Amino acid sequence: GAVVSQHPSWVICKSGTSVKIECRSLDFQATTMFWYRQFPKQSLMLMATSNEGSKATYEQGVEKDKFLINHASLTLSTLTVTSAHPEDSSFYICSARAGGHYGYTFGSGTRLTVV
Amino acid sequence: AQSVTQLGSHVSVSEGALVLLRCNYSSSVPPYLFWYVQYPNQGLQLLLKYTTGATLVKGINGFEAEFKKSETSFHLTKPSAHMSDAAEYFCAVQYGGSGYALNFGKGTSLLVTP
Repeated sequence: GAVVSQHPSWVICKSGTSVKIECRSLDFQATTMFWYRQFPKQSLMLMATSNEGSKATYEQGVEKDKFLINHASLTLSTLTVTSAHPEDSSFYICSARAGGHYGYTFGSGTRLTVV
Repeated sequence: AQSVTQLGSHVSVSEGALVLLRCNYSSSVPPYLFWYVQYPNQGLQLLLKYTTGATLVKGINGFEAEFKKSETSFHLTKPSAHMSDAAEYFCAVQYGGSGYALNFGKGTSLLVTP
């Protein structure tokens, strides 16, 4: 079946530094990738949608200059949290869609802790 | 915009008992509906989905859900709970905006007691 690999699974960084999270579709080409953020005991909130070779579309309230998304190929999307602050600490999950409306595969998530 | 509401943030059942997790949707067009399970610090695993056709959908691990248009519901059931079913469950609806992203409910935490 479709597999999405997300790395790292957890990361601790200092305030002010940047962190990059990778999301790779291993056995299919992902025309669209989605990035979600999940706070403890809460639901997934869509941050942005990215299509290969295009600029990401950010949801209202998401700072595009803080959360940089790149989808340079059909198998790789990256989320870079720039100048991270403790309030950026969260669980970030990516999802990839190959096409059509039904197939979504999720990465295993990245636990970001900013100290 | 399409959205889902999950009734009950926490559900507790005894092992072997029926599991019923409720989900109601709000959609102006026929929705595509999904149920996912999440274990701590992990991503989401698809249990089942409804797109078109048969309204009773069978998924993995003995779960099933029935799409009821008249009730705008898509409740998840399992006849007999197992300890390993304890997890967070999310109902989701696909919506046309944002590249057909999924819009998730708030989630229901299922506790299974011996």
